[in-house]
Amino acid sequence: AQSVSQHNHHVILSEAASLELGCNYSYGGTVNLFWYVQYPGQHLQLLLKYFSGDPLVKGIKGFEAEFIKSKFSFNLRKPSVQWSDTAEYFCAAAKGGKSTFGDGTTLTVKP
Amino acid sequence: EAQVTQNPRYLITVTGKKLTVTCSQNMNHEYMSWYRQDPGLGLRQIYYSMNVEVTDKGDVPEGYKVSRKEKRNFPLILESPSPNQTSLYFCASSPASGTWGNEQFFGPGTRLTVL
Repeated sequence: AQSVSQHNHHVILSEAASLELGCNYSYGGTVNLFWYVQYPGQHLQLLLKYFSGDPLVKGIKGFEAEFIKSKFSFNLRKPSVQWSDTAEYFCAAAKGGKSTFGDGTTLTVKP
Repeated sequence: EAQVTQNPRYLITVTGKKLTVTCSQNMNHEYMSWYRQDPGLGLRQIYYSMNVEVTDKGDVPEGYKVSRKEKRNFPLILESPSPNQTSLYFCASSPASGTWGNEQFFGPGTRLTVL
């Protein structure tokens, strides 16, 4: 069965710390990969996506992710987090009409 | 403004009373989908639609129905709601992308409580 797993359910960092959120997927064949963010009280919105090409993709607000095919991973990174990055982060995989989301990681950034 | 709208935003109902949550998008997207979000479980796909009159089951379709008679609308129907359907529901849409899934645009969510 298709699945997406996120390694950390709750991460607490101080401002300026570096961030890495792990994501592994289990899907047959080629899939498209996404990271979405849900700020408190707001809609889910896209941070970045990977379809093909350069495995290092850059998204909004200084986020980036690296697709490693051999590890079935798509980890999210940010060199220096800000208090405004406090949110819930979801990794997702999609193939055709089916989309599978991870359980989410709640990031709390302390000022 | 390009957006996905859902109504109602909040709903408290009782077991067995049929309800419909509407979803509408103004971006001319072919693809629409419904999800439920539960603590610790992330988003789980209920149903999706690749185009008008084309719908298919997601991972948790039991107890739900959908229809796609028009491109812009994709209502979610609970014929006989039960307490285990208490959840936060999201509708999403995306442009057609052939074989692979595209990025999705999400609505604001509908918080449903079934007593």
